[in-house]
Amino acid sequence: DIQMTQSPSLLSASVGDRVTLSCKASQNIYKYLNWYQQKLGEAPKLLIYYTNSLQTGIPSRFSGSGSGTDYTLTISSLQPEDVATYFCQQYNSWYTFGAGTKLELK
Amino acid sequence: QVQLKESGPGLVQPSQTLSLTCTVSGFSLTSYDVHWVRQPPGKGLEWMGGIWGDGSTAYNSALKSRLSISRDTSKSQVFLKMNSLQTEDTAIYFCTRLMYTTDSNWFAYWGQGTLVTVSS
Repeated sequence: DIQMTQSPSLLSASVGDRVTLSCKASQNIYKYLNWYQQKLGEAPKLLIYYTNSLQTGIPSRFSGSGSGTDYTLTISSLQPEDVATYFCQQYNSWYTFGAGTKLELK
Repeated sequence: QVQLKESGPGLVQPSQTLSLTCTVSGFSLTSYDVHWVRQPPGKGLEWMGGIWGDGSTAYNSALKSRLSISRDTSKSQVFLKMNSLQTEDTAIYFCTRLMYTTDSNWFAYWGQGTLVTVSS
């Protein structure tokens, strides 16, 4: 089974900061990687699919990159509404989520 | 529009069997697959398994021995049954539907989730 490791588990940043979240797969997942945002009490919401494709309606400050086993979600200028937990998810072999990165305001 | 809604008991005793129902609307179960994803309180997401439009199923290898997913297409319902529950199975259980493109798929539609607590 493919394991997904996210880092850091908790990230504190200020409004306007550039924020980078990491996700590492236990084997090559050939860019079959999605990113979700989950706010407290809500279901996850897709932000990025296939490593770097922005879902319709998602602000352009969100972007994704990566290949092989290493992937990144970047928020170019952090906004207060971005406080949430972010999960990566691979779909190269069935489906596995990372444990999440909780993003809070400093 | 596409909707999914979970229902079932909020409390299950240890060693007992969990039965959940996902009632869907806005699409046909014979055309789209439905999956179950769970989330222990304050923790990450775990794909449990799914049932495809042709009726085939797939399960997370860690749960396969005690998990069953089935459906009633006439009632637009998908069922989850998991036996031998333990306290670590306490979680919010979501049903969700995939969206497909030519080179991608993602969990696009989600129910609101139902909290299941395993406790005596």
